[in-house]
Amino acid sequence: ETGVTQSPTHLIKTRGQQVTLRCSSQSGHNTVSWYQQALGQGPQFIFQYYREEENGRGNFPPRFSGLQFPNYSSELNVNALELDDSALYLCASSLSQVRGDHSPLHFGNGTRLTVT
Amino acid sequence: GDSVTQMEGPVTLSEEACLTINCTYTATGYPSLFWYVQYPGEGLQLLLKATKADDKGSNKGFEATYRKETTSFHLEKGSVQVSDSAVYFCALKKKGAQKLVFGQGTRLTINP
Repeated sequence: ETGVTQSPTHLIKTRGQQVTLRCSSQSGHNTVSWYQQALGQGPQFIFQYYREEENGRGNFPPRFSGLQFPNYSSELNVNALELDDSALYLCASSLSQVRGDHSPLHFGNGTRLTVT
Repeated sequence: GDSVTQMEGPVTLSEEACLTINCTYTATGYPSLFWYVQYPGEGLQLLLKATKADDKGSNKGFEATYRKETTSFHLEKGSVQVSDSAVYFCALKKKGAQKLVFGQGTRLTINP
């Protein structure tokens, strides 16, 4: 069974730029969630995708957007990067039988984004 | 809103010592409760969970009991090992909700 994989592992961007982070979900999983983990903090929920549609969003501005593809992989896009966007971005996949009801989340190792 | 509060870290113990990491939560209804562990350079791994009051989750020698009356889910282990060194996160999830709500994490270091 292939686990959750994220790319790239590390990324350095300049303030104002745009970034795309990628996630391949675990085999058999149809739901992907994205979390932002600032240094020394717990992960914060950004949004979730289920069957290619956004299915819940945390307290993040619209410049954080995402996609889910037919193979259930996902992208997180952040526009107009700010210094405070520097964080570890975690992707997690799960199997949802119905909206809002999930198997346990399986996390990837994350993408470390540094904004200078 | 819903929230999770963990004891302040870092926590440093000697091998074979007893461990308790406190976790309390604030939420309406009856959330499911979780402990996740994050080893250096890795993502989060589910350590244990409990879905209703008085349930005890256990895994790899760790235990936590869902206490509704005190809104707590403290993590315990009777004898820690060097390999238990990691950051531990307490989290809750309400039924039908999409997101996990995490505490701030507690860094645990076990010295040989």
